[in-house]
Amino acid sequence: EAGVAQSPRYKIIEKRQSVAFWCNPISGHATLYWYQQILGQGPKLLIQFQNNGVVDDSQLPKDRFSAERLKGVDSTLKIQPAKLEDSAVYLCASSVPGRGNTIYFGEGSWLTVV
Amino acid sequence: QQQVKQSPQSLIVQKGGISIINCAYENTAFDYFPWYQQFPGKGPALLIAIRPDVSEKKEGRFTISFNKSAKQFSLHIMDSQPGDSATYFCAARAQGNQFYFGTGTSLTVIP
Repeated sequence: EAGVAQSPRYKIIEKRQSVAFWCNPISGHATLYWYQQILGQGPKLLIQFQNNGVVDDSQLPKDRFSAERLKGVDSTLKIQPAKLEDSAVYLCASSVPGRGNTIYFGEGSWLTVV
Repeated sequence: QQQVKQSPQSLIVQKGGISIINCAYENTAFDYFPWYQQFPGKGPALLIAIRPDVSEKKEGRFTISFNKSAKQFSLHIMDSQPGDSATYFCAARAQGNQFYFGTGTSLTVIP
């Protein structure tokens, strides 16, 4: 079974530029999550999708962050314009709803804003 | 507000020793408590998990102890090995399949 795929793995941008991260969840996983992990901290949920609908985006900085999952499969997380404090690892994860005891993470997309 | 509090922040253990990481929570609606292991440059991977109706779960050298009345749970790594050196996160699941993570414990096992 293929795992959660994310790209790009690494990105360096200047502040005020934009960046987009892509995620393809495990096949059949209807729930998709984007987490932000700042160095030395635990993952913080940014947004949770169930199929192509948003379940929770309460911690997503909506003035600069956006995410979509148009066909209920892969997802894109965009940051525009980026700030220095956005430097973090962006982790995508997926799970099976109802039996969603476990969430499976991708390897993350490392963002450095300079 | 930190939903799950984890300690210590870092831990150094001799090879063969016992590593203990503690977590505490407030929300009694949490119904599932996993532990994740994360190596540098990798995403967190599920290590072991427990439901609140069980007081202990053991898988190999890894054991979760759960105290529902105290709203605390802990990870014990027996016979710690250098390969166990990683960051460990506790987590708790709320309604809607939402997971909240602790701040992580960096474990170093020295030979």
